[in-house]
Amino acid sequence: DVKVTQSSRYLVKRTGEKVFLECVQDMDHENMFWYRQDPGLGLRLIYFSYDVKMKEKGDIPEGYSVSREKKERFSLILESASTNQTSMYLCASRDTANYGYTFGSGTRLTVV
Amino acid sequence: AQTVTQSQPEMSVQEAETVTLSCTYDTSENNYYLFWYKQPPSRQMILVIRQEAYKQQNATENRFSVNFQKAAKSFSLKISDSQLGDTAMYFCAFRTGGTSYGKLTFGQGTILTVHP
Repeated sequence: DVKVTQSSRYLVKRTGEKVFLECVQDMDHENMFWYRQDPGLGLRLIYFSYDVKMKEKGDIPEGYSVSREKKERFSLILESASTNQTSMYLCASRDTANYGYTFGSGTRLTVV
Repeated sequence: AQTVTQSQPEMSVQEAETVTLSCTYDTSENNYYLFWYKQPPSRQMILVIRQEAYKQQNATENRFSVNFQKAAKSFSLKISDSQLGDTAMYFCAFRTGGTSYGKLTFGQGTILTVHP
């Protein structure tokens, strides 16, 4: 089975800290995504990457950046964490040969 | 831009009964895909069912089926013979068929509780 692993299940950070959320997939997928999940808003796309070093903004990129230096790893960076970035963050990868998406188990980030 | 709307924040059903979750979407595209995902308390997103817009036949996966009304832009999920393990958050999602790199647009989600 394809696996998408997010490095932390729960994370607590202080306002102003630089935060790294890591995501690793093990099936050579080209496309990777970062979503933010909030109650009543569903999942919203922050950034995605369609290949190594290639990235595009999603619907809510403000306050975030990403890095994809290797195909298997897609990192989400909160440059200066703020309390309104307290949320669940989900990473996903997609097999372009079919329609399959695989999601990680999420990182619940609390910024205090 | 595409939008997906789930108007039912919460639903509940008795075990063994049938429940229908609603989803509407808005797009000017003609080639697209629709999905229902399940997110149990473990948080792992699980694909329940997928529908290609060019297919007129409604998709079915065991106890799960959809009612796809393309003209009305409606994509509801019917769960028959509900089981306790169906308790989860359900998301409707949309993806265009072009060079969108597979970006999914999600609805707000519906929390389904199955009661014994």
